[in-house]
Amino acid sequence: NAGVTQTPKFRVLKTGQSMTLLCAQDMNHEYMYWYRQDPGMGLRLIHYSVGEGTTAKGEVPDGYNVSRLKKQNFLLGLESAAPSQTSVYFCASSPRRGDGYTFGSGTRLTVV
Amino acid sequence: SQKIEQNSEALNIQEGKTATLTCNYTNYSPAYLQWYRQDPGRGPVFLLLIRENEKEKRKERLKVTFDTTLKQSLFHITASQPADSATYLCALEKYSGNTPLVFGKGTRLSVIA
Repeated sequence: NAGVTQTPKFRVLKTGQSMTLLCAQDMNHEYMYWYRQDPGMGLRLIHYSVGEGTTAKGEVPDGYNVSRLKKQNFLLGLESAAPSQTSVYFCASSPRRGDGYTFGSGTRLTVV
Repeated sequence: SQKIEQNSEALNIQEGKTATLTCNYTNYSPAYLQWYRQDPGRGPVFLLLIRENEKEKRKERLKVTFDTTLKQSLFHITASQPADSATYLCALEKYSGNTPLVFGKGTRLSVIA
């Protein structure tokens, strides 16, 4: 099993450009999450989904949009990238509440 | 405001000793508390989960305690090895709704041979 796969692994964007980060899981998990990790800030939740077709805002949702059209995929979009969105982005999934999360290996995004 | 604090940013320990990491929280009523390991350049890896009504959980050389009165969890690694060197994160999940995990900032553990 691949687990949670994130693409791309690295990306450099110019300010104002848009992009989509893809997260795919093959474990049939209901719940999926997007976190960002910055030095000194820890992991912060951007958006999450409790099932196919659902999305909800997390702690730091501004500047991001998400979609969960298929159960196995959770997409994170940046419509107009800003330098403040330079970060490492992690996708995770879990089967239900109260279970451990399985994380992807991350996407390192730099906005110049 | 709600806070999760992992007391030490970094902890150095000699090989063979027991490493003890602390996670304190305020203004939470967590249903579950989890511990993760994160290596540089990698995603966090789930280690252990302990529920509100459990005092202690063990897995091989790992032990987690959960004291809801003190609002604290302790994470122990016995007989520590250099391979245990990593950042360890604690995370809380609240009772209400589907609120996802909230993570502490982590403690970087270095086990010195």
